Amino acid sequence: ETGVTQSPTHLIKTRGQQVTLRCSSQSGHNTVSWYQQALGQGPQFIFQYYREEENGRGNFPPRFSGLQFPNYSSELNVNALELDDSALYLCASSPKRGAYEQYFGPGTRLTVT
Amino acid sequence: AQSVTQLGSHVSVSEGALVLLRCNYSSSVPPYLFWYVQYPNQGLQLLLKYTSAATLVKGINGFEAEFKKSETSFHLTKPSAHMSDAAEYFCAVSDRPNFGNEKLTFGTGTRLTIIP
Repeated sequence: ETGVTQSPTHLIKTRGQQVTLRCSSQSGHNTVSWYQQALGQGPQFIFQYYREEENGRGNFPPRFSGLQFPNYSSELNVNALELDDSALYLCASSPKRGAYEQYFGPGTRLTVT
Repeated sequence: AQSVTQLGSHVSVSEGALVLLRCNYSSSVPPYLFWYVQYPNQGLQLLLKYTSAATLVKGINGFEAEFKKSETSFHLTKPSAHMSDAAEYFCAVSDRPNFGNEKLTFGTGTRLTIIP
């Protein structure tokens, strides 16, 4: 059984640019959540997608947006990058909606210069 | 609003000693509670979860946690520490399904160091 995968593993962008991060959910999972983990902090919830619809959003501005595809893979898009967006971005998939038993990918390390 | 407080950002124990990582939660509704572990440069791995069955929950790698409603606590323990337990540990809380707030809220983490 393949776990949650994320791409790319590392990314360096310049302030003001746009970035797209990708996540493939675990087989059989229809829910994907995205988290931002700043250095030395716990993960912060960005949003969750359940069957291609947004199912909850954390305290992040609209320049953070997402998509979920029919195969339940997902993208996180961030526009107008700021220095504070530098973080590890984690994707987690789950077999059901909500927070129950989420399985995390290895993350994408984004550095904004 | 939900929140989690992890007491002690760094904990050091000797190999073979008891591991105790503290977590207190605040939630207006009966919560789900989780412990995750993060090894360097990796994502999070679920250690164990409490979802209203037995209050003593056993997880992977010999860890267990006890839900104490009266103390609003969910401390993580392991009887005998191994060198491989060195990692960052996160406690997290969520509302139950259909209570509306179906997201994980994490604590700030506790870094566990094992002394040989």
